[in-house]
Amino acid sequence: KAGVTQTPRYLIKTRGQQVTLSCSPISGHRSVSWYQQTPGQGLQFLFEYFSETQRNKGNFPGRFSGRQFSNSRSEMNVSTLELGDSALYLCASSLMGQYEQYFGPGTRLTVT
Amino acid sequence: QQQVKQSPQSLIVQKGGISIINCAYENTAFDYFPWYQQFPGKGPALLIAIRPDVSEKKEGRFTISFNKSAKQFSLHIMDSQPGDSATYFCAASGSQGNLIFGKGTKLSVKP
Repeated sequence: KAGVTQTPRYLIKTRGQQVTLSCSPISGHRSVSWYQQTPGQGLQFLFEYFSETQRNKGNFPGRFSGRQFSNSRSEMNVSTLELGDSALYLCASSLMGQYEQYFGPGTRLTVT
Repeated sequence: QQQVKQSPQSLIVQKGGISIINCAYENTAFDYFPWYQQFPGKGPALLIAIRPDVSEKKEGRFTISFNKSAKQFSLHIMDSQPGDSATYFCAASGSQGNLIFGKGTKLSVKP
């Protein structure tokens, strides 16, 4: 079974721009969560989607948003990029009702 | 109440030795405690996990010890190998499902 895939793997953007990252969960997994990983703050939860609905949200500004499609694929969007948004953005998927979350390889975003 | 504290930040172990990483949590509502292994350039990989109704879980060379009264849990890697060199993260979650991660431990296993 294929794992979680994320595209693109690397991205360079300029301050003020916006960016959209994509995540395809493991087949059959309907829950998708997003995390931000930085050297200073570590791994921090952004939000979780299940059946196209946001179920849970972390403590990030409104510039960070996401959505989920009927096929469980998810996208996250960051608007008005700031230098501090440079990070590895990780997507994780899980089966409904299961605790285990499986991560993708991440998208490395660099904001210049 | 949402923190998970992990120690040490870094660890150097000789090949064949035991690596021990510790975590402590505050929120008694947490009921799932996984450990993840991350290699450079890769996403975290689920290594082993435990629920609070058991005190120990072993999978191969990896063992989680869980102390509910002390709100602590630890990862033991027996017969550590150079291929185990990676960053290890403990985490905890409750009913909402989102993972709260420790800051990570960089393990180096010397040949």
